[in-house]
Amino acid sequence: GDSVTQMEGPVTLSEEAFLTINCTYTATGYPSLFWYVQYPGEGLQLLLKATKADDKGSNKGFEATYRKETTSFHLEKGSVQVSDSAVYFCALSEGDSSYKLIFGSGTRLLVRP
Amino acid sequence: NAGVTQTPKFQVLKTGQSMTLQCAQDMNHNSMYWYRQDPGMGLRLIYYSASEGTTDKGEVPNGYNVSRLNKREFSLRLESAAPSQTSVYFCASRQQGAGNSPLHFGNGTRLTVT
Repeated sequence: GDSVTQMEGPVTLSEEAFLTINCTYTATGYPSLFWYVQYPGEGLQLLLKATKADDKGSNKGFEATYRKETTSFHLEKGSVQVSDSAVYFCALSEGDSSYKLIFGSGTRLLVRP
Repeated sequence: NAGVTQTPKFQVLKTGQSMTLQCAQDMNHNSMYWYRQDPGMGLRLIYYSASEGTTDKGEVPNGYNVSRLNKREFSLRLESAAPSQTSVYFCASRQQGAGNSPLHFGNGTRLTVT
């Protein structure tokens, strides 16, 4: 079945460092891919998405490119801030007709001043 | 601008007790979901409701029941709580059929079963 694999955390960085969180997926069709972020004590909220191969999703300085050839959707940010400390989840959906989103296990990011 | 509202925020139950988790959304979404979040396991789908009047099992439905009361409300019931159901529960909603629309989540209910 479909699945999402994320790098294990926690990832600890200093402020202004470059961030990469790896995400790879397996899917039978042509899924849409998402990154969600969860701040402490809150629910998940959409960070960015990409719906087809080579699309780049971006938001708040974060970017991720849908790479069909490597089945990857890695999250990157050029310069992290303390306020980016959160748990990040990669997810896929088999198109709008699917009712199910499949989530990775999450990667905790801790940014130190 | 409430979005998805879950109650209660915290709950402690003894093994065998029952309770209902409430969820309501004010975005007129047609689809609603219940997930549980456990350390190292991400989010796992318990049940979902594609539209008012329909419900379907997700990945981990055992020990739970749901009711889609109307378009706004989707409740999750534990009939006889077990320690394995200690988790954080999230309700979410989505407008299905709107071009890969994202899920909108509530802030969660932290449940402990002793």
